[in-house]
Amino acid sequence: KAGVTQTPRYLIKTRGQQVTLSCSPISGHRSVSWYQQTPGQGLQFLFEYFSETQRNKGNFPGRFSGRQFSNSRSEMNVSTLELGDSALYLCASSLEGARETQYFGPGTRLLVL
Amino acid sequence: GDSVTQMEGPVTLSEEAFLTINCTYTATGYPSLFWYVQYPGEGLQLLLKATKADDKGSNKGFEATYRKETTSFHLEKGSVQVSDSAVYFCALTTPQAGTALIFGKGTTLSVSS
Repeated sequence: KAGVTQTPRYLIKTRGQQVTLSCSPISGHRSVSWYQQTPGQGLQFLFEYFSETQRNKGNFPGRFSGRQFSNSRSEMNVSTLELGDSALYLCASSLEGARETQYFGPGTRLLVL
Repeated sequence: GDSVTQMEGPVTLSEEAFLTINCTYTATGYPSLFWYVQYPGEGLQLLLKATKADDKGSNKGFEATYRKETTSFHLEKGSVQVSDSAVYFCALTTPQAGTALIFGKGTTLSVSS
């Protein structure tokens, strides 16, 4: 079974731009969560989507948003990029009956200049 | 709030040495506990988990026991290999938080031959 895939793997943007990251979960997994990883703050939960609805949200500004499609694929959008948004963005998927066990993708590394 | 504290690294060991990485937690209710591993340039891989007190999680020679009385989940391995060199993250989630994992800062392990 294929794992979680994320595209693109690397991205360079400039301040003020917006960016969209994509995540395809493991087949059959309907829950998708997003995390931000930075050297300073470590790994932080952004949000979770299930059945096209945001089910849980971390403590991030409204510039960070997401959505989920009917095939469970998810996108994350960051508007008005800031230098501090440079990070590795990780997506994880899980089965509804075992939500606590999450499988992570390789991440998208975003550099904001 | 809920939190995870793990020992600062880096940890440097010789091949076949014994490994312990300490992890303690603060959480309301009954958290599930996890160890994830991140190899250079990759996402997170679930190493092991325990969902209730006194459970022992194990995988690939690694073990950790959920100790509620000491709020700990220390990771151990009897004989490390060079291929174990990676960053190890202790994490928890609670039923209230759903899939939102709270991570420790990570411990870098370097094993030399």
